[in-house]
Amino acid sequence: SYELTQPPSVSVSPGQTARITCSGDALPKQYAYWYQQKPGQAPVLVIYKDSERPSGIPERFSGSSSGTTVTLTISGVQAEDEADYYCQSADSSGTYPRVVFGGGTKLTVL
Amino acid sequence: EVQLVESGGGLVQPGGSLRLSCAASGFTVSSNYMSWVRQAPGKGLEWVSVIYSGGSTYYADSVKGRFTISRDNSKNTLYLQMNSLRAEDTAVYYCARYYYDSSGLRPLNWFDPWGQGTLVTVSS
Repeated sequence: SYELTQPPSVSVSPGQTARITCSGDALPKQYAYWYQQKPGQAPVLVIYKDSERPSGIPERFSGSSSGTTVTLTISGVQAEDEADYYCQSADSSGTYPRVVFGGGTKLTVL
Repeated sequence: EVQLVESGGGLVQPGGSLRLSCAASGFTVSSNYMSWVRQAPGKGLEWVSVIYSGGSTYYADSVKGRFTISRDNSKNTLYLQMNSLRAEDTAVYYCARYYYDSSGLRPLNWFDPWGQGTLVTVSS
């Protein structure tokens, strides 16, 4: 089955740049999406279509894609950005597109 | 304002049943694709099921044959009927609007917004 691989954790100091990667063989053919989840809260979409930012999401959040890896970049990290981040894509090899989530990355702001 | 509110979670014994509800406001459930996603305690997100606007339904292999997704258009509400529950079904269950478009070179599919979640605990 199709898998998306994320690092379990990333740590940065306030004001620095955090980069969270997500790897998957189908990513060149499928868009990737990113969700932020703070403790006890529901996930929130922060990036769609690899690099688009929904309204209301701060400009410090950006996304990029290169081959089989997509990257969520948070520039000028703030304490409030500490959260779990999940990438999501789809596996279209079957009769319908199966949604796939990465295992999640815990971002710690030191 | 677009909003989703889940209800119906609780403690149930293995082999038991539970029905989750997800009341939508600010948009029409029947005109959208809707989905359930779950998260076991301390674990990641797992897609569970989807219902298309046309009524087609799909399930993750882990719940196929045990769970049924449906909607009540008059109540603008999404449901998840869960039967033959197992300990491994213990999770927070989120409903979410599923945006899907396969008309382009690359299909679009993402979840937004999400409800606040409802906890299902399967234990004796």
